[in-house]
Amino acid sequence: NAGVTQTPKFQVLKTGQSMTLQCAQDMNHEYMSWYRQDPGMGLRLIHYSVGAGITDQGEVPNGYNVSRSTTEDFPLRLLSAAPSQTSVYFCASSDRGLSGNTIYFGEGSWLTVV
Amino acid sequence: KQEVTQIPAALSVPEGENLVLNCSFTDSAIYNLQWFRQDPGKGLTSLLLIQSSQREQTSGRLNASLDKSSGRSTLYIAASQPGDSATYLCAVKSGGSNYKLTFGKGTLLTVNP
Repeated sequence: NAGVTQTPKFQVLKTGQSMTLQCAQDMNHEYMSWYRQDPGMGLRLIHYSVGAGITDQGEVPNGYNVSRSTTEDFPLRLLSAAPSQTSVYFCASSDRGLSGNTIYFGEGSWLTVV
Repeated sequence: KQEVTQIPAALSVPEGENLVLNCSFTDSAIYNLQWFRQDPGKGLTSLLLIQSSQREQTSGRLNASLDKSSGRSTLYIAASQPGDSATYLCAVKSGGSNYKLTFGKGTLLTVNP
């Protein structure tokens, strides 16, 4: 069982560069989301999607872009990296239902912007 | 806006002790509450999920309770072991049809041999 797979695990970027963090799940989950985790700030929602073709902003969306062309994939794009985007990024997925539904997380992507 | 608070931020106990971690939330209109464990350098692993209609869930040495009306949940760990050392986070699902998870900042637990 692959679950939620994130790549890359580690990345160093220069200010102004762009990159894409990949996220894929093999559980046929409708709901996918991206979080960033910073010391003292906890996990904050960046963007989420309730199904293919549908995305919405979370708490901290600025500087990030997402798309959901398939159920399986939910890439996160950094348009012009800034040092403030140095963080650990987690992708998560679950069934869409309002109740039940354990959330599954990827192993994280450590991003440093210099 | 939903806010989730976890107390204490850090806890250190000797092996074998029973302990309680606390989670509170400001908006009682939740769908469920979930407790997670995070080991250093790793992702989050779900421990227990409590539906809004439930009062508690148990898994092995773990017991989570939910009092939705007062906006509180507790995670009880019995007979703690060094392998329980990790950060424990709670998250509530709320927000209508486009629901969101709101996380607390976690409790860092250290169990000393």
